[in-house]
Amino acid sequence: KAGVTQTPRYLIKTRGQQVTLSCSPISGHRSVSWYQQTPGQGLQFLFEYFSETQRNKGNFPGRFSGRQFSNSRSEMNVSTLELGDSALYLCASSPGQSNEKLFFGSGTQLSVL
Amino acid sequence: QKEVEQNSGPLSVPEGAIASLNCTYSDRGSQSFFWYRQYSGKSPELIMSIYSNGDKEDGRFTAQLNKASQYVSLLIRDSQPSDSATYLCAVPPNQAGTALIFGKGTTLSVSS
Repeated sequence: KAGVTQTPRYLIKTRGQQVTLSCSPISGHRSVSWYQQTPGQGLQFLFEYFSETQRNKGNFPGRFSGRQFSNSRSEMNVSTLELGDSALYLCASSPGQSNEKLFFGSGTQLSVL
Repeated sequence: QKEVEQNSGPLSVPEGAIASLNCTYSDRGSQSFFWYRQYSGKSPELIMSIYSNGDKEDGRFTAQLNKASQYVSLLIRDSQPSDSATYLCAVPPNQAGTALIFGKGTTLSVSS
């Protein structure tokens, strides 16, 4: 079974631009959650989608948004990029029930210049 | 939002020793707790989950939960250099869903 696939692997943007990151979960997994990882703040929860609906949301500004498609693939979008948005963005998938093991992708490393 | 606190370390132990990693959480109503391990440059992977007070053992790993004191710990017996990684403690933000709130992690270094 293929693992969680995130694209692109690396991304360089400038302040004010917007960016879209993609995540393909493990086949059969219906839950996708997104996390931002930085050296200073660690791994912070952004949002979780299940069956195309946002089920949980972290404490990030409205510039961060996401969606999930009927095939469970998910995208997250960041608008009006700021320097502080530079981070590793990780996606994790699971079948969808509470307390399940999360399977993480390799992440997208975003650099904002 | 729920908070999870961990000592960032680094925690240094010699090979063969017991490594003890600790985590405290803010919400007394939290019911489930997870330990993930993250090697440098890699993604986190689940190593232990615990839901009831007391100890849960899995090979060289033991998770301990004390809900009254709101702390979770992870003991690694017979520590190996391959255990050198960052250990992340996590709790769900609520009862529904699979999302997790992570602590900032404790970096463990095992010297041979």
